[in-house]
This record gives sequence, C-alpha cells and structure tokens, in this order.
Amino acid sequence: EIVLTQSPGTLSLSPGERATLSCRASQSVSSSYLAWYQQKPGQAPRLLIYGASSRATGIPDRFSGSGSGTDFTLTISGLEPEDFAVYFCQHYGSSPRTFGQGTKVEIK
Amino acid sequence: EVQLLESGGGLVQPGGSLRLSCSASGFTFSNYAMHWVRQAPGKGLEHVSAITGSGGSTYYADSVKGRFTISRDNSKNTLYFQMSSLKAEDTAVYYCVRLDTLTGYLYWGQGTLVTVSS
Repeated sequence: EIVLTQSPGTLSLSPGERATLSCRASQSVSSSYLAWYQQKPGQAPRLLIYGASSRATGIPDRFSGSGSGTDFTLTISGLEPEDFAVYFCQHYGSSPRTFGQGTKVEIK
Repeated sequence: EVQLLESGGGLVQPGGSLRLSCSASGFTFSNYAMHWVRQAPGKGLEHVSAITGSGGSTYYADSVKGRFTISRDNSKNTLYFQMSSLKAEDTAVYYCVRLDTLTGYLYWGQGTLVTVSS
C-alpha cells in the first residue's frame, strides 16, 4: 500500500499569497495517477488536478500541480477567498486508492 | 449531466446492519468501476471498497473486509453497500464515487452519513 504524507498540516496565509502544498509517497507513484482534491466544509471533495499536472475542467489556472516519483506539489499562485479549504492528494492507479491526510489552508 | 445520489444512511446500533444505495444517472453505468470512500467526522478520506463495471471483481479495505459487501445492479444503474457488524469506528460520511481511469475521482455523490452509536 502506498502511503501519502502531506505537509504542512496547516498553512496560514493571506489572500493573494502563494500556497505551496507537498505530497510525498512511500514509494514511487506513476505521475499519470496522482490527483489533488479540494474540500470545503459540508461538501464532497472536488477534483482539481489529475495526472499530477493536468487541471480538471473548470479549475482556474492559479492552481497548478507538479512532481514525479515520490514528491508532488500543488501550488495556488494567488489565493482567492474561496480557496481556503482542505486539500488532499491521492494516487488512483490501483487499489487501495490512498489519500494523504490533508492540508488545511486557512486565512491568516 | 452525471449525477450520483446516495441514500440509506442513518443511526444504527453497534453490531447492526445498514444498506447504502447510490443511484447513478447521466452516463453508461456499466462502463465504469464504482467506489465507496468514507470520511469520519473531522478526519481524512478513506477508500473502502470498489467494484468493476461488470461486477466481476471487488476490493475491500482491511478495515471493512468480511463485514461489508459491495454490489451493483447495472439494469437499475444502482450501486450498493451492505454493511454488517457495524462498529463505532464505521461512523462516517460515505461517498459513492465514479472512477475515471485517466482523471481519478471526477464525480462524487453528496454523501450519506452513517452513525453507529447506542
């Protein structure tokens, strides 16, 4: 089973600032199968990035993903008020499709 | 428009049973593997089960293996999750999710809350 570890646990930033979220895998993950999700309170997660770097339909270009092997990054280039939420990474190539524990991006 | 609508959640006593349903629309249901993902209150996401489009192959996380059963009725466009021997630690919102091979979990249901408590 691939274990995904996200850091930091919480990121306190102001609107307009850049957010950099990390996801580290316990073993190499095919970049084709690494995703990032955003979740707001009381809502289902929303797919942001798939294949490590491809934006899902309708996702603003301030969201970008990068990385390969065991290290992946989600970057939000300038935080908008609606971006304050919890973010999860996931590998989805095979079961179990494990998730990281999440990074909360909160308003400073 | 793809829609996934879960039902069947509720309050159940430890040791009890519950069956969740997920009604799918807007796509050819039998063409897609379907998954259940749960989220305990204030916690992260856990992939607990999966079933192929034909229903011929299934996956269970160790945490639910032997107690829960995933199934589907492609004629009714419906996914099921039979949960037995429920424990307090099974308390969570259960999401029905469609797996897209290239994009992952693009479509999620709204979730249904299962509470296991006496």
